[in-house]
Amino acid sequence: GESVGLHLPTLSVQEGDNSIINCAYSNSASDYFIWYKQESGKGPQFIIDIRSNMDKRQGQRVTVLLNKTVKHLSLQIAATQPGDSAVYFCADGSGGYNKLIFGAGTRLAVHP
Amino acid sequence: SQTIHQWPATLVQPVGSPLSLECTVEGTSNPNLYWYRQAAGRGLQLLFYSVGIGQISSEVPQNLSASRPQDRQFILSSKKLLLSDSGFYLCAWSVLPNTGELFFGEGSRLTVL
Repeated sequence: GESVGLHLPTLSVQEGDNSIINCAYSNSASDYFIWYKQESGKGPQFIIDIRSNMDKRQGQRVTVLLNKTVKHLSLQIAATQPGDSAVYFCADGSGGYNKLIFGAGTRLAVHP
Repeated sequence: SQTIHQWPATLVQPVGSPLSLECTVEGTSNPNLYWYRQAAGRGLQLLFYSVGIGQISSEVPQNLSASRPQDRQFILSSKKLLLSDSGFYLCAWSVLPNTGELFFGEGSRLTVL
């Protein structure tokens, strides 16, 4: 079965609010995670990654938090914009050769 | 700059027919290449990956096969399609090992009837 999963299939937010997308993983040995964004009809795009030696990593308007104790990570998007509407995937990249194991995805819908 | 091309973008095939999806990468050398499948409303499942010409690793047992006849060409094939082969097929490449950053193509949507 999948080693990563997502808490909610759909998340609706108002434009300008912050969004939090959650992901749980089951393998305590997993040490590398990546977030991808997939717009409708397109291939996924890399957003940000985090390794297990970090608890937090920030990018442009995005922050990823990793809690190894409960095997949980989250993607926070600040000041969500309509262009952020997409499906977001967390992926476990611990397998080497960039063989990623993707979760099912969370659809983020941004409303004006 | 690097680009990745997949074709065809859309394909409708009858059960039992053969399949060939092609992927080419431009602007890079010796990339790792990947085929993923995405079922409707689901995450991506890794089907095959390749670290070099003629080197194919299969991640799940299935009705599909992959080949890499040239450094920047990756082909996904089937001799006889099943209904369960329907899905969105994505080719991807990476260069840097273990960075997690894959560059995906636009995908090929296959419907098997």
